[in-house]
Order: sequence, then C-alpha cells, then structure tokens
Amino acid sequence: LAKTTQPISMDSYEGQEVNITCSHNNIATNDYITWYQQFPSQGPRFIIQGYKTKVTNEVASLFIPADRKSSTLSLPRVSLSDTAVYYCLVGPVSGGYNKLIFGAGTRLAVHP
Amino acid sequence: KAGVTQTPRYLIKTRGQQVTLSCSPISGHRSVSWYQQTPGQGLQFLFEYFSETQRNKGNFPGRFSGRQFSNSRSEMNVSTLELGDSALYLCASSLEASGIQETQYFGPGTRLLVL
Repeated sequence: LAKTTQPISMDSYEGQEVNITCSHNNIATNDYITWYQQFPSQGPRFIIQGYKTKVTNEVASLFIPADRKSSTLSLPRVSLSDTAVYYCLVGPVSGGYNKLIFGAGTRLAVHP
Repeated sequence: KAGVTQTPRYLIKTRGQQVTLSCSPISGHRSVSWYQQTPGQGLQFLFEYFSETQRNKGNFPGRFSGRQFSNSRSEMNVSTLELGDSALYLCASSLEASGIQETQYFGPGTRLLVL
C-alpha cells in the first residue's frame, strides 16, 4: 500500500490560492491519486482524481509531476467555506476500498 | 437524486449493549461501505458489501458485523459495546466497482456515544 504524507494543518486567507502537497514515494504503476474534503460532522466528499500531469475541474486542480512521487491539490481563491480537512488517497484501480488509507489529512483553516 | 442517508444520526448506549445502524445508498448504487472515524485513529475502513455479500473487510474484531439487503440498503451491528466504540460511523455508497477509480459518496454519519 502506498503511504501518503501531508501537512497536518495549513492556514490561509480568503481570496488566496491554496496548495496542499501530498507525498507518496512508493506509489505503484497502477495507483491513482484521489482527494477528498471533509467538513465537521459530515462524511468526506470527493474533490478530484488523477493519474499524471494535470487535472482540473470546477472545484480544484491536481498537479502530478512526472515521477508521481507527490501531488498537489490547488484550491483557487479560497473562501471561509473551504475550511475543512483534506485527504490524499493513493490506491490501485479495482484494488478494493480496504486498500485506501485516509490518513490524518490536512486541516485547512481559511481566515477572513 | 437523494444522497446517502443514515439513521439514526445520534445514539447513546451503555457498555455491553449492542447497536444496529442503518444506511440507505444512493438509488442505483450497489456497493455500500462502512467506516469508523475517531479523533485518535482517523477514518478506518470496516467492511464493504456488494450484492448482499461482504466483498472487503478491514481489521476490526468480530463484534462488528454487517449485512446488505436486496434493495442495497445496509445495516451494521456492533455487539458488546466498549467505550472505545464511541465514534462517528460513516456509510458510503458507490455504483459497482471497489477501488479508487469508483467515487464513494458518504452519508452524514451516525454519532455513537458509549457510556
């Protein structure tokens, strides 16, 4: 199983771009990278997924370098409502949900 | 389309009792997974059910069990409750496959307090 390492916490201000980097040095060839967001007392919510290079959706962008040993979730122009815990997951396609480790996540606090 | 629903939302039990939690997946979703979330251990996978069969299992004792019905609704049961079972229990549903490529949709959770 690919182990992931993320910063425990980050602080930002409204309107700024936030980049959260996840390290996954032992990522396997068939592993994908997925990010989830969790608000207090709610279940996690899927944000974005990628395999290599760059993926963008209406919420965020995901940058994955060529060696795939890390990935960066980019949140453009954050607002107070982006305050949440962000989880980076790495796992194989069709590997089973038991193969996905949520870890401690990154607690993002957005200030006015 | 309605999201994943879990009942009850809050529950208080005493040590030694047993508890049953219920989860209704998104319509059309056939996979249901259960997770336990605590401040100390984080989000941990309990088990996954698909077509009424347990497809994957995490590292939890046998006191934790589950089942899935023909309409994909699922229940999980914890017997002989311990103080350490106090947690937020989350249910997640997905279409069919099991793995990172299949997005999971989580419910709001059931917060269980064991006294």
